[in-house]
Amino acid sequence: QKEVEQNSGPLSVPEGAIASLNCTYSDRGSQSFFWYRQYSGKSPELIMFIYSNGDKEDGRFTAQLNKASQYVSLLIRDSQPSDSATYLCAVIGGRKSSYKLIFGSGTRLLVRP
Amino acid sequence: ETGVTQTPRHLVMGMTNKKSLKCEQHLGHNAMYWYKQSAKKPLELMFVYNFKEQTENNSVPSRFSPECPNSSHLFLHLHTLQPEDSALYLCASSQDLSGRNGYTFGSGTRLTVV
Repeated sequence: QKEVEQNSGPLSVPEGAIASLNCTYSDRGSQSFFWYRQYSGKSPELIMFIYSNGDKEDGRFTAQLNKASQYVSLLIRDSQPSDSATYLCAVIGGRKSSYKLIFGSGTRLLVRP
Repeated sequence: ETGVTQTPRHLVMGMTNKKSLKCEQHLGHNAMYWYKQSAKKPLELMFVYNFKEQTENNSVPSRFSPECPNSSHLFLHLHTLQPEDSALYLCASSQDLSGRNGYTFGSGTRLTVV
């Protein structure tokens, strides 16, 4: 079982729609959860992090965490073509990854004009 | 300069060459990392350094040799690489090993082994 799993996509949404990106993780003890955005040929850029169950909002982005279900999601409201990128979910602080940021393979998002 | 700076941005090397990748962070962070990113694979953690001491070697072949002279600089020395080592090599740093605020990545070095 992969430590962090994401659907590779691509997830295609029209401009202005809500994009929903999902991630599951295997280590129940994981403490901190991150979403990174990576444009083609570029390095990952941190968008959001979340530690506690529930929602965390920052502008058009909302991160959601459900530790009981071992599930993290990222919602992007009013999606723009510039949001087209690969979104990487990452976790840290579990029994296996206590001080190592472990990444999923990423979900490619395409926002159609 | 700010953030995490990596050089060179691109590198082409033969299998018998020796080269080094350089990373420098200007964030005052204490932990630094090397990751490898191959096509269609998750980022793979290679090495972890905390206060310039290596805390993790994630079963990386010895043809990759890291060096951390201080908390701000990290090198990856390469020798007798294989074509399958071609990838994007990313350096990252964090305030400490807890990584609670995430890692900051450099722009990466695109390595091609011929």
